[in-house]
Amino acid sequence: DTGVSQDPRHKITKRGQNVTFRCDPISEHNRLYWYRQTLGQGPEFLTYFQNEAQLEKSRLLSDRFSAERPKGSFSTLEIQRTEQGDSAMYLCASSTRSYTEAFFGQGTRLTVV
Amino acid sequence: AQSVAQPEDQVNVAEGNPLTVKCTYSVSGNPYLFWYVQYPNRGLQFLLKYITGDNLVKGSYGFEAEFNKSQTSFHLKKPSALVSDSALYFCAVSSYSGGGADGLTFGKGTHLIIQP
Repeated sequence: DTGVSQDPRHKITKRGQNVTFRCDPISEHNRLYWYRQTLGQGPEFLTYFQNEAQLEKSRLLSDRFSAERPKGSFSTLEIQRTEQGDSAMYLCASSTRSYTEAFFGQGTRLTVV
Repeated sequence: AQSVAQPEDQVNVAEGNPLTVKCTYSVSGNPYLFWYVQYPNRGLQFLLKYITGDNLVKGSYGFEAEFNKSQTSFHLKKPSALVSDSALYFCAVSSYSGGGADGLTFGKGTHLIIQP
């Protein structure tokens, strides 16, 4: 499968714990995006990388959230000191260039208990 | 700031009838417009996009959408609905205003239910 891959698919964690998600984009895609989707809502943009450079961060991305793409390939999204409000589906997407369609992974569903 | 409105939470259509899922947008600058579909337990799938050129764009699975600049709309259409079209549909916008956001702004989604 050469699509966008996300790991894990599901994560249950206790409030206050740290979690890390991984995204492997389509190999030739230099742009990588993270979105968050809660029930009944559309995906909300979190952050965007072009190669290894993080070029944009939404104000939704609080100080507890950090994302990296160290070698311009896979990316990680870490949430520190998780809160119940962090429970959501975290989606990763990749694309070849600006303003073209992005291809989405199946997401990581986070439940904070 | 850019925004997308999908005014209908749910659209019900009989199989074989034409369908329309509505979307209006607001951006500063010229818009890039997208439709995505989400099936249960599956990721978002790209259907079609408008970047420039013809106002009527054709996409996957027989879907098409019409860009209307004066009405700031990008409604999704299909001439003859199939039961398998039942899913959650999202409209999204980005704007090439130069130096602006590269991420997409999505609407809340519209549940499309095709009745046999």
